[in-house]
Amino acid sequence: AQTVTQSQPEMSVQEAETVTLSCTYDTSESNYYLFWYKQPPSRQMILVIRQEAYKQQNATENRFSVNFQKAAKSFSLKISDSQLGDTAMYFCAFMKPYSYNNNDMRFGAGTRLTVKP
Amino acid sequence: EPEVTQTPSHQVTQMGQEVILRCVPISNHLYFYWYRQILGQKVEFLVSFYNNEISEKSEIFDDQFSVERPDGSNFTLKIRSTKLEDSAMYFCASSEEAGVGQPQHFGDGTRLSIL
Repeated sequence: AQTVTQSQPEMSVQEAETVTLSCTYDTSESNYYLFWYKQPPSRQMILVIRQEAYKQQNATENRFSVNFQKAAKSFSLKISDSQLGDTAMYFCAFMKPYSYNNNDMRFGAGTRLTVKP
Repeated sequence: EPEVTQTPSHQVTQMGQEVILRCVPISNHLYFYWYRQILGQKVEFLVSFYNNEISEKSEIFDDQFSVERPDGSNFTLKIRSTKLEDSAMYFCASSEEAGVGQPQHFGDGTRLSIL
């Protein structure tokens, strides 16, 4: 079974600075998908970024980027130029390789990020 | 942008009662999911649904749970005889069929409180 571990329950960062959230996972699969979701106090889960395991290039989305280390099974999220609106719970998630009828995800425990003014 | 919508936003139910949580997935999506998040804990997968049948379920999804797509738009989660430990936020999600590793789009969730 796949497990996802986020070892940092809480983190804080000053506005405009950079912060990195860590995520490790365990799988025997060679191809899979990894995601970071953000859950602000409004509670809706919002997709931040997605990485395909067979792609060596790290995914980026504006101020958000990942450091994907496949051999180490590590998938960290870097937030540059942090903004107050980045305050949220961040979940790392693992999706199994393609199945014709199922794409369910497994989530980590989450990291609560607070951006301070 | 299309959204997954869930109703109600908050449901309070007496222990032992049945509850139905409703979801309207994004219209062109064909995969549907329910997740649960107990307060302060991680999001847990409950069940996935495709082509009018359950494709996978977790150990949490026991006989008290059922899902249904009663019409072309709604996707429901029924809890037959609620227990105190069913109190949680329940999220519905949907994703497209085409391609692999499609991200799931989540609704705002229904907070279920069992008294």
